[in-house]
Amino acid sequence: QITLEESGPALVKPTQTLTLTCTFSGFSLRTTGVHVTWIRQPPGKALEWLAVIHWNDDTRYTPSLFNRVSITTDTSKNQIVLTITHLDPMDTATYYCAHSRGTREFDYWGQGTLVTVSA
Amino acid sequence: SYELTQPPSVSVSPGQTARITCSGDALPKKFAYWYRQKSGQAPVLVIYEDTKRPSGIPERFSGSTSGTMATLTISGAQVEDEADYFCYSMDISGNQGVFGGGTKLTVL
Repeated sequence: QITLEESGPALVKPTQTLTLTCTFSGFSLRTTGVHVTWIRQPPGKALEWLAVIHWNDDTRYTPSLFNRVSITTDTSKNQIVLTITHLDPMDTATYYCAHSRGTREFDYWGQGTLVTVSA
Repeated sequence: SYELTQPPSVSVSPGQTARITCSGDALPKKFAYWYRQKSGQAPVLVIYEDTKRPSGIPERFSGSTSGTMATLTISGAQVEDEADYFCYSMDISGNQGVFGGGTKLTVL
């Protein structure tokens, strides 16, 4: 059974750095074709694709955050870490991580974690 | 940057067919996906690779594509299908994922 769970601070101040962790079980990130994606959703708005890490450590980022975002993995802990620097109130959103394999995109999601950026 | 365009809202009566569209220039070459999101919940995959339905998704959900448009069809929509629906695809380079703006489906 595949599960994913996001964790991190609920409140951060502008200009600070956000670090979110996605802890997963039921699959290995070293399995061919597997990838994990971070997606966010501002309150009342649409989903936004942020970053992906593939089974072979290949990473891709949204151009809108390219210089502020990074995604890394700790395979020994079954964790994916998302970091966003120079936070702004517009980064306030629920952040999700999601599992994919091959072209079966986002077949499993975490429950999401709400991050508020405010002074 | 690449965009996928959805109508903001669709409304049908119970038992009618609901159709939600998603347009994007790369859709002739990239798969479309559809996600259902009920209030306060994480999205759920309802259609993948344009037309495939995951196990556990009712048969009334179907997907199709034609040129630059993908369509999610709910045949015989039920009140429980009320939700926000998002389409997803990749840009032509395959390097970036993109979601549509979402469509609020009302069934009443």
